[in-house]
Amino acid sequence: DIQMTQSPSSLSASVGDRVIITCRASQNISNYLNWYQQRPGKAPKFLMFAASSLQSGVPSRFSGSGSGTDFSLTISSLQPEDFATYYCEQSYSTPHTFGQGTKLEIK
Amino acid sequence: EVQLVESGGGLVQPGGSLRLSCVASGFTFSRYAMSWVRQAPGKGLDGVSVISGSGGTIYYPDSVKGRFTISRDNSKNTLYLQMNSLRAEDTAVYYCAKGGLGSPEDYWGQGTLVTVSS
Repeated sequence: DIQMTQSPSSLSASVGDRVIITCRASQNISNYLNWYQQRPGKAPKFLMFAASSLQSGVPSRFSGSGSGTDFSLTISSLQPEDFATYYCEQSYSTPHTFGQGTKLEIK
Repeated sequence: EVQLVESGGGLVQPGGSLRLSCVASGFTFSRYAMSWVRQAPGKGLDGVSVISGSGGTIYYPDSVKGRFTISRDNSKNTLYLQMNSLRAEDTAVYYCAKGGLGSPEDYWGQGTLVTVSS
C-alpha cells in the first residue's frame, strides 16, 4: 500500500495568516492527490482533486500544488471557518490511503 | 443534491455482528464506486472497503478481510457493510462515501458510530 505522510501534524496560526501543509507519498502517484477538510464532529469535506483542482464551491483562498511524491495545500488568508483538520489522500491505486492529518488550530 | 444517509451503528459485544446501511440519493447510484471509511475516536481516516458500481470489483484491507462484507443493491440505491467477529479495535465512526477505485470520495454521509465493548 502507498503510505502518505503529512507535515506538520498540527499547526497554530491566526486569522489572515498564510499556511502551507505538505503531503508526501511513498511512491510516485502522478497527480492523484486529493485534500479533505474535517471540522470537529463532522464528516470530511472534499476540497480538491488532481493535486490542484478545486471542488465546486470551495473558496479560492485554497490552492494545491505538486506531482509525483510531493504535494502541498496552501490557504492564502485564514478565515475562522478554516480551523479544522486537513487530510491528503492518494487515489492512484487501491486501497486509497490517507495521510495522518494536520490539525490547524487558532493561535 | 447528493445525500448519503448511514444507519445501523450501535453498541455490540466483541465477537458480535452488525449490518450498516447507506441510502444514496441525488446521483445515478449504479454508475459509481462506493466506499466505507472509518475513523476511530481521535484518529485519522481509514478505508474499510470499496465496491464498484456493478459490484464486480471489491477490495478489503487485511484488517477486516474475512470479517466484513461490502455489498450494494442498485435497485434500492443502498450500500451495505456486514461486519462479523467484531473486535474492540473496530470501534469507530463509519462513513459511506461516493467514490473509490481511482475516483476521489467526493461526498460523505454523516457517519454512524459502532462501539464494540463488553
